[in-house]
Amino acid sequence: DAGVIQSPRHEVTEMGQEVTLRCKPISGHNSLFWYRQTMMRGLELLIYFNNNVPIDDSGMPEDRFSAKMPNASFSTLKIQPSEPRDSAVYFCASSLLQSNQPQHFGDGTRLSIL
Amino acid sequence: GENVEQHPSTLSVQEGDSAVIKCTYSDSASNYFPWYKQELGKRPQLIIDIRSNVGEKKDQRIAVTLNKTAKHFSLHITETQPEDSAVYFCAASIRADGLTFGKGTHLIIQP
Repeated sequence: DAGVIQSPRHEVTEMGQEVTLRCKPISGHNSLFWYRQTMMRGLELLIYFNNNVPIDDSGMPEDRFSAKMPNASFSTLKIQPSEPRDSAVYFCASSLLQSNQPQHFGDGTRLSIL
Repeated sequence: GENVEQHPSTLSVQEGDSAVIKCTYSDSASNYFPWYKQELGKRPQLIIDIRSNVGEKKDQRIAVTLNKTAKHFSLHITETQPEDSAVYFCAASIRADGLTFGKGTHLIIQP
């Protein structure tokens, strides 16, 4: 099994630019989660989807952040416009949509906004 | 919302000794408690989890205990080895919701 696949692995861009992060969940998993990791705030849940439907986006920091899941095998997290404080590692995770199922993480995207 | 506190932030033990990391949670509705290990520059990897209908779970050198009344759970690693050095995160969730993580414990195994 290929696991959760994220792209790009690294992204460096200037503030004000649009950034799009991509995620392919494990085949058969129908819950998808986006997390952000920083030294100051640790691992934080941004948003999650069940069966491609956003369930809870209360962790999305600002309107500059948006996420979509057009189908069961693909999700995007977009930041527009990007700011230096958005610099972090963004992880995508997936699981089966049943109570108390383990979440499996991708390798993350290390984002640097200059 | 849920709040997870984790202690200590750094733990240094001699190789072969045991390590214990403790977490508390605030929402009594939480019923799933996983532990993740994260090596530098890598993704968090699930090492063990426990559900609220169980008080203890063991997998080789790793065990987790849960006290629902006190709302705390702990990770125990016995016979520590150099490869156990990493950052460990506890987390809590309700049913199939997203995870709320603790701030992490940097475990250092001294040779």
